[in-house]
Amino acid sequence: DARVTQTPRHKVTEMGQEVTMRCQPILGHNTVFWYRQTMMQGLELLAYFRNRAPLDDSGMPKDRFSAEMPDATLATLKIQPSEPRDSAVYFCASGFEGGTEAFFGQGTRLTVV
Amino acid sequence: DAKTTQPPSMDCAEGRAANLPCNHSTISGNEYVYWYRQIHSQGPQYIIHGLKNNETNEMASLIITEDRKSSTLILPHATLRDTAVYYCIVRVASPGTYKYIFGTGTRLKVLA
Repeated sequence: DARVTQTPRHKVTEMGQEVTMRCQPILGHNTVFWYRQTMMQGLELLAYFRNRAPLDDSGMPKDRFSAEMPDATLATLKIQPSEPRDSAVYFCASGFEGGTEAFFGQGTRLTVV
Repeated sequence: DAKTTQPPSMDCAEGRAANLPCNHSTISGNEYVYWYRQIHSQGPQYIIHGLKNNETNEMASLIITEDRKSSTLILPHATLRDTAVYYCIVRVASPGTYKYIFGTGTRLKVLA
């Protein structure tokens, strides 16, 4: 059963600490999306990649957020330094270029205290 | 910015059809209409998509108006497990790829 895997599922950290969230896309998918969900803003697109190359990260706060794909099986989203306003659920999704749907992971629930 | 407008909430009796409307009046000719749903805080789940023609799969039917400015998702026999937030999305084509921009969705409550 192919699925997008995100780790960790939950993370509590102190303000100022670095946070790294990981995503394993479905094997063979070449497009990866990062979303953030909060009660106030809903689902926001932060960044997306095609064939490991970043195509658009205009949704991310550039000063503290960074997204990378070290290889085809791993996408990372880092926050440094983290702030309480970064508390949210972060979702990763993957799909085929020009394909039908994107498949979402179960998310990482981040709490910054 | 989201390119769709949906009612914030709807109720439906269990066993009845749930009809969820969506307006996408600025949709372009090559942009698809997608529907996803999100149960509790799980990741969004794909339901169905279409371009011009009506579509049906094992989960739902999608009716797109001829001018493509609106659509309706139909869950033919709603169950309690269909209680979720339903998102109507226009898949935006970007150079070399595409992206999904979510709006606020419709919170569907199926009542016993």
